[in-house]
Amino acid sequence: KAGVTQTPRYLIKTRGQQVTLSCSPISGHRSVSWYQQTPGQGLQFLFEYFSETQRNKGNFPGRFSGRQFSNSRSEMNVSTLELGDSALYLCASSDQIILTSGRTQYFGPGTRLTVL
Amino acid sequence: DAKTTQPPSMDCAEGRAANLPCNHSTISGNEYVYWYRQIHSQGPQYIIHGLKNNETNEMASLIITEDRKSSTLILPHATLRDTAVYYCIVRVGGGSARQLTFGSGTQLTVLP
Repeated sequence: KAGVTQTPRYLIKTRGQQVTLSCSPISGHRSVSWYQQTPGQGLQFLFEYFSETQRNKGNFPGRFSGRQFSNSRSEMNVSTLELGDSALYLCASSDQIILTSGRTQYFGPGTRLTVL
Repeated sequence: DAKTTQPPSMDCAEGRAANLPCNHSTISGNEYVYWYRQIHSQGPQYIIHGLKNNETNEMASLIITEDRKSSTLILPHATLRDTAVYYCIVRVGGGSARQLTFGSGTQLTVLP
């Protein structure tokens, strides 16, 4: 099976712009989670989608949003970009909601976002 | 909320066992402990997870103390390719705010 894919791999934006990142999960997986990784804060959970519905959400402002399509592909949007949004954005897929017992999630390679 | 504490770094000689500890003293009774590793800012890679009993797979073994307040990930024969940041992870929060919390991890360096 192909792994989790993310596009684009690298992105440069300026403050105030918005950005959309895409994630295609492993075939058959219906859960997609998004994480932000920065040197200062480490890996932080953004949200999880399962069957097109947001199931869990981390402590991020409303500028961070997402959605999931019927084919389980997911997009994450960040509006009004700030310098602090520069990070590696990772998505992960699983066959079930990740916070149910013992489910494993598989990560994509990430999208490196730089905000200038 | 359950959180994890790991040493920031460890060294291990190639071919020897690497034992990575994790403290999760506030974990609740039905929460799993997960281990992932991350190499050079690639996506984290799943290693193993467990609830109460010790677990073993082709990559590693996981030893969980009886009181579940700590665990140890064991890489039985570390290789140079095992050099990575290792994360011990538990779930925190409840309801729709439930999430996996990654601690700061342990940088394992396998030395030739």
